[in-house]
Amino acid sequence: EVQLLESGGGLVQPGGSLRLSCAASGFDFRRYTMGWVRQAPGTGLEWVSAIFSSGSPHYSDSVRDRFTLSRDNSKNTLYLQMTSLTAGDTALYYCARRVEGAFDNWGQGTLVTVSS
Amino acid sequence: EVVLTQSPDSLSLSPGERATLSCRASQTIDSRYFAWYQHKPGQAPRLLISSTSTRATGIPDRFSGSGSGTDFTLTINRLGPEDFATYYCQQYTDSPPGCTFGQGTKLE
Repeated sequence: EVQLLESGGGLVQPGGSLRLSCAASGFDFRRYTMGWVRQAPGTGLEWVSAIFSSGSPHYSDSVRDRFTLSRDNSKNTLYLQMTSLTAGDTALYYCARRVEGAFDNWGQGTLVTVSS
Repeated sequence: EVVLTQSPDSLSLSPGERATLSCRASQTIDSRYFAWYQHKPGQAPRLLISSTSTRATGIPDRFSGSGSGTDFTLTINRLGPEDFATYYCQQYTDSPPGCTFGQGTKLE
């Protein structure tokens, strides 16, 4: 059974940093593209970033140059380093596995709140 | 960036009826990389349809997807009480790589 468990969310001040993790199990992690999708309060889903099995990341325009996505295949873990956070980054962040462009398995999410 | 616009924003129907949800892209997209999701409050989103028309594992055949180019449709036949949720379309482009979601249609 595919399982994705996010962690690392919390309350952070504007301008601060936070690192999210996603621990994967139940599949051959190294062979899959993995990504993050977020949902701000009262809004819809927004794609944030993804990383190919090769290790090459790509980002949405809203987080490029502030967020860094990486993976450790030896630990089956995905990392999202977030810097220069603003209130607009407040959201529930979901980790998801991507296959042929679609996110076929999702975690339950970790909440990031940016506030002073 | 490809913009996806869903219509309607909300849809009021009764159990047993048919729902038709639309998603229009700002430019032609590859139908291999078009998907639909169901999202309920407090739950993770669930993949319903990938590659425009392929149902994900465990998704009943009441759900069907169609479309090409810039216009895509999700049809839900014989609505059950469990189908009332928000539905999102999503696309992926590989050059440069990126994804976008529609703004969602709330089925109530």
